[in-house]
Amino acid sequence: EVLLVQSGGGLVQPGGSLRLSCAASGFTVSNNHMSWVRQAPGKGLEWVSIFFIDGNTYATDSVRGRFTISRDTSKNTLYLQMNNLRPEDTAVYYCARGHPRGPRVDWGQGTLVNVSS
Amino acid sequence: DIRMTQSPSSLSASVGDRVTITCRTSHSIDPYFNWYQKKLGEAPKLLIYGVSSLPSGVPSRFSGSGSETDFTLTISSLQPEDSATYYCQQTYSTPWTFGQGTKVEI
Repeated sequence: EVLLVQSGGGLVQPGGSLRLSCAASGFTVSNNHMSWVRQAPGKGLEWVSIFFIDGNTYATDSVRGRFTISRDTSKNTLYLQMNNLRPEDTAVYYCARGHPRGPRVDWGQGTLVNVSS
Repeated sequence: DIRMTQSPSSLSASVGDRVTITCRTSHSIDPYFNWYQKKLGEAPKLLIYGVSSLPSGVPSRFSGSGSETDFTLTISSLQPEDSATYYCQQTYSTPWTFGQGTKVEI
């Protein structure tokens, strides 16, 4: 069974840092495209970052240079290091397995990041 | 960035109704087009990929159609569990943008 268990969210002040984790079971992170997607309160979905199977990464403009996606194959875990956080980064963050084009995308349970003073 | 325009922003329908949601993109993007279902407190669920393909486990009352810049999600017979917000998404080019969502109330 595919399982994605997230941790690491919470309250942080503007300018602070957080690291989100997504522990995978039932599959190997390094053999899959892995992503982070977020939803701000009352807003729509935003694809934040992806770690492709070939090792390339992509981050959307609003987080590029501040957020870094990475993976630890020994722990079978995906990470999102978030630095210089802004109030507009406040959102529920989801990790996801699978290419955005489908045919299958599996999701973590989501974790809330609240950037506020 | 490719802009996505969904309509309507919300709708109310009865159980058994046929429901249609549309999405227009600023560029021709087929077949790289998805529909997602999002319920409060739950992770998104991929409903349709590649314009009209259903992932395993998605009920057949959901269908997708369209081409180039105009796409449609149809729920043939609305069920109580379909109460959710539906998002279109293009995966033609990064950033993979979503529409603003359509809230479906039963």
